[in-house]
Order: sequence, then C-alpha cells, then structure tokens
Amino acid sequence: QVQLVESGGGLVKPGGSLRLSCAASGFTLSDAYMTWVRQAPGKGLEYISYISIDGTDIIYADSVKGRFTISRDNAKNSLYLQMNSLRAEDTAVYYCARFARELDVWGKGTSVTVSS
Amino acid sequence: DVVMTQSPLSLPVTLGQPASISCRSSQSLVYSDGNIYLNWFQQRPGQSPRRLIYKISNRDSGVPDRFSGSGSGTDFTLKISRVEAEDVGVYYCMQATHWPFTFGPGTKVDIK
Repeated sequence: QVQLVESGGGLVKPGGSLRLSCAASGFTLSDAYMTWVRQAPGKGLEYISYISIDGTDIIYADSVKGRFTISRDNAKNSLYLQMNSLRAEDTAVYYCARFARELDVWGKGTSVTVSS
Repeated sequence: DVVMTQSPLSLPVTLGQPASISCRSSQSLVYSDGNIYLNWFQQRPGQSPRRLIYKISNRDSGVPDRFSGSGSGTDFTLKISRVEAEDVGVYYCMQATHWPFTFGPGTKVDIK
C-alpha cells in the first residue's frame, strides 16, 4: 500500500543541523509533488515546504526560509529536508505528505528536538 | 496570509449524536482553476493526521459516510452524523489555495 516513512530526527543543539528523509513506497515518487508539515509539541499543524515533481518549483514558509532546504531523489523514491541553523522553535514532529494541495497520505513523522 | 478559524475549539459529544465543526477563511478560497482547495484532517491521539475530506466535500476512500463536508467561499463545515468512539481526536481544516497554505487551530472532539 501507499506508505511514507520519515527518519533522521533527533536531539540537536541550537545552531546545529539535521537532515530528514522520507522514503516512499507503494507509489512512484516522481509522480507527485511532496510536502513537509510540522507540529510543535501540543500545538497545531504548520505547512513548511513543498517541492514539485522535477524539483524546479519549491516554496518555503517564512519561518524556515533561508535555513531549510527541501530536495528529492526520484530514483531513490526519497524526499529530504536539510535543516540548518536550528532554533528551539523548530522543535516539532516533522511529517512528509504526498501532493502539495491534497496531502492525501502522511507518514508517521520523525521528532526533532532543538535544545542545549 | 489566509487565516483559518475553527469553532468550536472543543467539542464534547454524546455517542450516537451528531457533531458539526465550522471553519472560516479570511478570504475566498477559489483558486484560478476554479477549485476550492479546502481539506479536512483528523488526528487521533498519538497518530499522524489523516485526510478525511478534500475540495470541500469529497470524502476519501475508507472514510465512513457519517463524515461529510460542505461550504463555499469562506465558510465550511465538517459534520459527523453519529459520533462513534473512534472519532475522538483533533480535526483541522486546511486551505491550499493561497500560499502560505494554512491550517485552522484544530477542534478537539471528545466523548461526554
């Protein structure tokens, strides 16, 4: 079945970096825009970025622009989120989801904690 | 940015009774292609979000038909015709017409 599995989360100090991955199965990643959404502890959902099929159409929320980079490797059926200059307010569960507007399939998420 | 508001934010319901959640956007959600990209998601405790409804009223495969979506312009509603125990969780509306795409604050549904 269609599945997304995130990985790469963990504990990082302020100013540090992490790279999240999202492995897709059950469908061809190259057929879909892909998205990252995050959820701070006890809070709501925040849409942070999407990337087009060929990677030429990318957009970021202001909260992460200039610090986060979304990318994809269609040959590996994988989506990535490079997170630099991390701040305490980036602490959240990060979800990848299929499609930009429809978000029809979500992964279980990977947790990122930014703390000294 | 388009602000999505939901009401109520907390909704205690009796099993078997109906429930209704309102979602309002700060501006029209009609996209240039004529579609209205308004989704509803359910997040059960400890789980990731699951899409229930897309483009206002289209129910996802596997979603019970007790869930329905309606609305137009800036006012949208998610209805549960008869609440069941498995419906406990937080419900979010989301607009994907205007960047940045935004979610409502969520409505927490629990059983009285």
